[in-house]
Amino acid sequence: DSGVTQTPKHLITATGQRVTLRCSPRSGDLSVYWYQQSLDQGLQFLIQYYNGEERAKGNILERFSAQQFPDLHSELNLSSLELGDSALYFCASSPSSSEGKRDGYTFGSGTRLTVV
Amino acid sequence: GQSLEQPSEVTAVEGAIVQINCTYQTSGFYGLSWYQQHDGGAPTFLSYNALDGLEETGRFSSFLSRSDSYGYLLLQELQMKDSASYFCAVRDGGGFQKLVFGTGTRLLVSP
Repeated sequence: DSGVTQTPKHLITATGQRVTLRCSPRSGDLSVYWYQQSLDQGLQFLIQYYNGEERAKGNILERFSAQQFPDLHSELNLSSLELGDSALYFCASSPSSSEGKRDGYTFGSGTRLTVV
Repeated sequence: GQSLEQPSEVTAVEGAIVQINCTYQTSGFYGLSWYQQHDGGAPTFLSYNALDGLEETGRFSSFLSRSDSYGYLLLQELQMKDSASYFCAVRDGGGFQKLVFGTGTRLLVSP
């Protein structure tokens, strides 16, 4: 157990639907990052939150949105789903900016989203 | 922006040594990291280099040359369980640590 919890582990849904992925960061970590990994692809950065505020945005589609709550858990909302959105979605957390550089990110086990 | 290049696949036999290279282009450099990912699993942190030279952690070592924008991960005494994908990554900006990952190198270890 890495300490980063993602739910659900698997999700199958139809095109056009909306889903919410949830992430609880490791205790004490203030930063949460979301990544998308399509089949046999690398990790594409979506968005980062730090202590409740959005800090960086990657190639995140307008159909996707995220937020980080006061208890530091984060949710990634995916709407108007398309077949191409099928992927593994990872959440990662890290401590504050000055402390995390040597220890790296801690990733959750991911949510496998299948759009049919 | 940032871009990282890695070989797509490397094969080796048990007990051997293998080196996975990574070249990067960044607008600013804040360190090179390596992550391991088994099929269907989560990436796990292996190492981080901020300065030139070799960092050793057990069977794994990581090297960085900032002047060449180049690094490598060295895996010694390969075991079957080392079969996985390996990603290099660089930080995008000094403050908030957003990581940009390479496309990954799939390592296949055979008996």
